[in-house]
Amino acid sequence: RKEVEQDPGPFNVPEGATVAFNCTYSNSASQSFFWYRQDCRKEPKLLMSVYSSGNEDGRFTAQLNRASQYISLLIRDSKLSDSATYLCVVTHNTNAGKSTFGDGTTLTVKP
Amino acid sequence: DAGVIQSPRHEVTEMGQEVTLRCKPISGHNSLFWYRQTMMRGLELLIYFNNNVPIDDSGMPEDRFSAKMPNASFSTLKIQPSEPRDSAVYFCASRLSYVDYEKLFFGSGTQLSVL
Repeated sequence: RKEVEQDPGPFNVPEGATVAFNCTYSNSASQSFFWYRQDCRKEPKLLMSVYSSGNEDGRFTAQLNRASQYISLLIRDSKLSDSATYLCVVTHNTNAGKSTFGDGTTLTVKP
Repeated sequence: DAGVIQSPRHEVTEMGQEVTLRCKPISGHNSLFWYRQTMMRGLELLIYFNNNVPIDDSGMPEDRFSAKMPNASFSTLKIQPSEPRDSAVYFCASRLSYVDYEKLFFGSGTQLSVL
């Protein structure tokens, strides 16, 4: 079993739709959580950190459930420019900051 | 500020040849990571360093792969001998430190093709 698992999708949604991605992790010692975005043939870039209290950045909302060991990303009013692969990242500081990525969920937003 | 710099951007080589990938982390960053990305296996962590010391190399596929970080501003990933299955995009990333919620910053990657 992979340490970080995501539904690979693809998710194909119309503009304006709301879409949610989930990610589960197996190491309960994990301490920091992120969502990264990767465009085709580009490097991953930070989208947002995910805090225990949940956090929002414009149309994006991230939540963390430590008890169930999953994190989620909600995108509201999706835009064409949101089309990308979304990668879940888990860091556990008990291993000096090892950062493990999920395989990513691909989103395509259509007009 | 310069980001993480990787070279070369593209590398095409023949099976059996030695390949060296290079990375310059962001100045002042203490952690450096090497990842490999393929369609089949996603983004795999190969090895990472803290303060130039390798911490975990369990992701290195086999003895053909080696990585060094001789100083805080330079790291190499070497494959010798290379094989077609090594074809992938290799990313280097750096991070300021390993306290909670420090972010990873990636280089543009090296696209490696082994023929």
